[in-house]
Amino acid sequence: LAKTTQPISMDSYEGQEVNITCSHNNIATNDYITWYQQFPSQGPRFIIQGYKTKVTNEVASLFIPADRKSSTLSLPRVSLSDTAVYYCLVAENTGGFKTIFGAGTRLFVKA
Amino acid sequence: KAGVTQTPRYLIKTRGQQVTLSCSPISGHRSVSWYQQTPGQGLQFLFEYFSETQRNKGNFPGRFSGRQFSNSRSEMNVSTLELGDSALYLCASSSGRQGLETQYFGPGTRLLVL
Repeated sequence: LAKTTQPISMDSYEGQEVNITCSHNNIATNDYITWYQQFPSQGPRFIIQGYKTKVTNEVASLFIPADRKSSTLSLPRVSLSDTAVYYCLVAENTGGFKTIFGAGTRLFVKA
Repeated sequence: KAGVTQTPRYLIKTRGQQVTLSCSPISGHRSVSWYQQTPGQGLQFLFEYFSETQRNKGNFPGRFSGRQFSNSRSEMNVSTLELGDSALYLCASSSGRQGLETQYFGPGTRLLVL
């Protein structure tokens, strides 16, 4: 399983765009990249998943360069409610889950 | 659809006791995974069940066990509790066909071992 490395914490202000980068140097050909968000005392919540290039949904964008050794989660115009821990995961396309969560990035959005 | 439910939500036990936690997945989901979350170790994968069979396992001692029933509900058991077992235990369900599908997490069971 590819190990992921993320910044421990980030600060931002309301209305700004936040980019959180995750390194996964040992990513394998069949691995997908998934991001989750977790609020205190709640279970993680799926944000976005991708394999290569760019993926966008209603809450975020995910940028994956050609070598796939890193990925960047982009949160447009964050609000106070986006204060949470964000996890980057690398999951292999095979039967079953072998999900390894890293330490995550604590994003603190200030007014 | 109803979300993932976990019972009980809070639990206090003493060292040496055993505990059973329950997880009801989203209707139609056949995969249930269990995780332990502590401030020091973060989110750690315990095991995953799919169609009543353990499909994947993390690096936890044999005191941690689980099972899944024919209706996909799952239970996790911890025997001979230790102080270090105090944690938030989360379960997650998914359709589970490939291992890439979105996992939907429950609210967790907060276990305190005294």
